[in-house]
Amino acid sequence: GEDVEQSLFLSVREGDSSVINCTYTDSSSTYLYWYKQEPGAGLQLLTYIFSNMDMKQDQRLTVLLNKKDKHLSLRIADTQTGDSAIYFCAESIGDTDKLIFGTGTRLQVFP
Amino acid sequence: GAVVSQHPSWVICKSGTSVKIECRSLDFQATTMFWYRQFPKQSLMLMATSNEGSKATYEQGVEKDKFLINHASLTLSTLTVTSAHPEDSSFYICSARVPGLDKNIQYFGAGTRLSVL
Repeated sequence: GEDVEQSLFLSVREGDSSVINCTYTDSSSTYLYWYKQEPGAGLQLLTYIFSNMDMKQDQRLTVLLNKKDKHLSLRIADTQTGDSAIYFCAESIGDTDKLIFGTGTRLQVFP
Repeated sequence: GAVVSQHPSWVICKSGTSVKIECRSLDFQATTMFWYRQFPKQSLMLMATSNEGSKATYEQGVEKDKFLINHASLTLSTLTVTSAHPEDSSFYICSARVPGLDKNIQYFGAGTRLSVL
């Protein structure tokens, strides 16, 4: 079945880079996404990558996809306190609308 | 990006009552909307897919009669939690796709926190 796993917690110092990792099991993923959720709020789409791509960069965000190992990562350069939130990776399966979400990684940025 | 609005943001109700949550697409028409449920410190679980003008498609294990979904217009989907009980307390989030754009991108509302006493 479909399963998406993330580490639960990451703590980084302000100005350092953060790397959030995600593994998934379904090889028919078409798109993979990163969403950000601040306390008590909905989800904000940060970036996404098509499954035939290896890397995508968007300003401070870099997404790396290793399809062979079914591993997705999100690197945030120059992490700021405003980046503190929960980050969810998600995958869409085949041609369906369905999104499978990971367990979420809580990123805490300290001064 | 596209804007999806949810109302109310927080609701407290007595056990046995029904609660309606609205999800609106503000600057686009959404033929398909999605309803998710999120328990504290957990991930989002898809409950159902709401299709304008037709019946919703529910995920396995989600009670259709408990969670009534109506998508009567291209900008509004509603989720009604009927005869709510404390175990229904959760964070409910809707999302919508923008027609004409990448069909795999979903934009999310801010969520509704339901507390059943």
